[in-house]
Amino acid sequence: KNEVEQSPQNLTAQEGEFITINCSYSVGISALHWLQQHPGGGIVSLFMLSSGKKKHGRLIATINIQEKHSSLHITASHPRDSAVYICAAPHSGGGADGLTFGKGTHLIIQP
Amino acid sequence: NAGVMQNPRHLVRRRGQEARLRCSPMKGHSHVYWYRQLPEEGLKFMVYLQKENIIDESGMPKERFSAEFPKEGPSILRIQQVVRGDSAAYFCASSPRTSGKLFFGSGTQLSVL
Repeated sequence: KNEVEQSPQNLTAQEGEFITINCSYSVGISALHWLQQHPGGGIVSLFMLSSGKKKHGRLIATINIQEKHSSLHITASHPRDSAVYICAAPHSGGGADGLTFGKGTHLIIQP
Repeated sequence: NAGVMQNPRHLVRRRGQEARLRCSPMKGHSHVYWYRQLPEEGLKFMVYLQKENIIDESGMPKERFSAEFPKEGPSILRIQQVVRGDSAAYFCASSPRTSGKLFFGSGTQLSVL
């Protein structure tokens, strides 16, 4: 079964700072997911990536398959980015099963 | 083009009652996943279904919990004889295909008194 570790667990930063959240997993995977959970509880899928890098607005996700490691970056952070960021990987590495989730990174961006 | 719809948004049950949680996936999505988030804990996978089939139920408790995704209608997560420890947020997600991007519903907050 895949083990998913995230760091840091909590992160407080000032508006405008560059943010990095890290995720490592134990079993080779078909794709890794990055999710955002808002203070109200809603969950949004940010990225699903299997190699290289993806960018959406101020968010960038990278993955290194050989090292079993992924990072989520936020450029020019803003208070509205405050949320819990969660990475998730398939249980056994394949895609046709459920996900194992990291414990999440609680991000607070102060004005 | 509605997103994933979950209802009810909040559900209160007394110990021993049954809870039924519904999830209507996005149009065209035939893959449904249920997750549970206990207070102060992370998300945990429960079950993965395709139309009329349970693909992976490795995260479901062996007793009292069941799930279905019929040919017509929403997916249902059913919890019989609820206990206080079942109090949690239950999220449903759907996907158009295996290994596809997930789209989450707003969740059902179950409170057991």
